[in-house]
Amino acid sequence: AQTVTQSQPEMSVQEAETVTLSCTYDTSESDYYLFWYKQPPSRQMILVIRQEAYKQQNATENRFSVNFQKAAKSFSLKISDSQLGDAAMYFCAYRSPGGSQGNLIFGKGTKLSVKP
Amino acid sequence: KAGVTQTPRYLIKTRGQQVTLSCSPISGHRSVSWYQQTPGQGLQFLFEYFSETQRNKGNFPGRFSGRQFSNSRSEMNVSTLELGDSALYLCASSLVTGKGNYEQYFGPGTRLTVT
Repeated sequence: AQTVTQSQPEMSVQEAETVTLSCTYDTSESDYYLFWYKQPPSRQMILVIRQEAYKQQNATENRFSVNFQKAAKSFSLKISDSQLGDAAMYFCAYRSPGGSQGNLIFGKGTKLSVKP
Repeated sequence: KAGVTQTPRYLIKTRGQQVTLSCSPISGHRSVSWYQQTPGQGLQFLFEYFSETQRNKGNFPGRFSGRQFSNSRSEMNVSTLELGDSALYLCASSLVTGKGNYEQYFGPGTRLTVT
């Protein structure tokens, strides 16, 4: 069975600085999808960025980028120019490609605080 | 386009009662998944429905059930509520592609408190 591990329960970053959140996963599949979701306090879960395993190029969405290391089964999220609104729980998630296995497997999450 | 909506947003129930939660997916999305979020266990997959059929189920007891209607709206039911069922229940909808589901978009959740 696939597992997702986020080893940093909490992280802190100064406003305008850069922070990297770690995520590792375990799978025997060669094709899969990886996601980072953001859940602000008492607010909706939002998709931040996605990565297809068959793509070697790291995904980027504005200030958010990933470092996808397939061989190491590592999928870290880098947030550049951190803003106060980035404060939230961040969840790393894995999904198998098959239609009958469409559920997301989540890590425990990393709570990010942004200091002004 | 409207996002995923869930009703009710908050619910307080007593042990032994049953509860029904509702989820309306994004227009055009035919897949609906349900997750339970608790501080201790994190986010856990409950089940997924596609075209009115349950096609994937997580490791939860039979007290947890669901269904999907022809308009893709979904409901989940929890019978004989236990204190441990207190959680945030999240619904996510997805556009099914040729490679299966792709991105899942979450609703705001229903906060269930069992007393």
